[in-house]
Amino acid sequence: DVKVTQSSRYLVKRTGEKVFLECVQDMDHENMFWYRQDPGLGLRLIYFSYDVKMKEKGDIPEGYSVSREKKERFSLILESASTNQTSMYLCASSFLGGRWDNYEQYFGPGTRLTVT
Amino acid sequence: GQQVMQIPQYQHVQEGEDFTTYCNSSTTLSNIQWYKQRPGGHPVFLIQLVKSGEVKKQKRLTFQFGEAKKNSSLHITATQTTDVGTYFCASAGGTSYGKLTFGQGTILTVHP
Repeated sequence: DVKVTQSSRYLVKRTGEKVFLECVQDMDHENMFWYRQDPGLGLRLIYFSYDVKMKEKGDIPEGYSVSREKKERFSLILESASTNQTSMYLCASSFLGGRWDNYEQYFGPGTRLTVT
Repeated sequence: GQQVMQIPQYQHVQEGEDFTTYCNSSTTLSNIQWYKQRPGGHPVFLIQLVKSGEVKKQKRLTFQFGEAKKNSSLHITATQTTDVGTYFCASAGGTSYGKLTFGQGTILTVHP
């Protein structure tokens, strides 16, 4: 079974803190993704990576950065957390698709981040 | 980027009633995926549709991809309380390589 794990289920941080969210997958997937999920807005892509050290901005990258030093690990970094970054953060992974096709994404359990 | 609009946002049904959620795009989709997220859980892949007019069934769930590949639907026959959750459609774009754009989701509540 594919397993995607995230470092924390719940996290409470203060405004201005630097926050690291980590994600690890065990299926040798090329792609890894970070989403945030807010009520009524669905899943919005923050960043994704298709290879080690490679990254691409998603739809809402502002205020976030990412790091992928190893194939199995993808980190999301909030350089200076703000209250509007309070959300559920979901990591996902998949095999690399072609330009017009794609594989299913496997999601981690999510991290509910509260910034106070 | 490519956008998919999903309706309705919420649906309340009595157990045993049918349920349908729709996903629409203004552009032709290369394929579409459907995911289910149980309350407190994470999205789980259900199915992928690729061909124009494709229909696939999983027990009480029927998935359709429109002839023009601009819309899709998920229909649940005779809902059960285990069907509660949020259903998302998602589609790849022309620069995909695995990236998906998700619809806003339909939250299904089933009253026993």
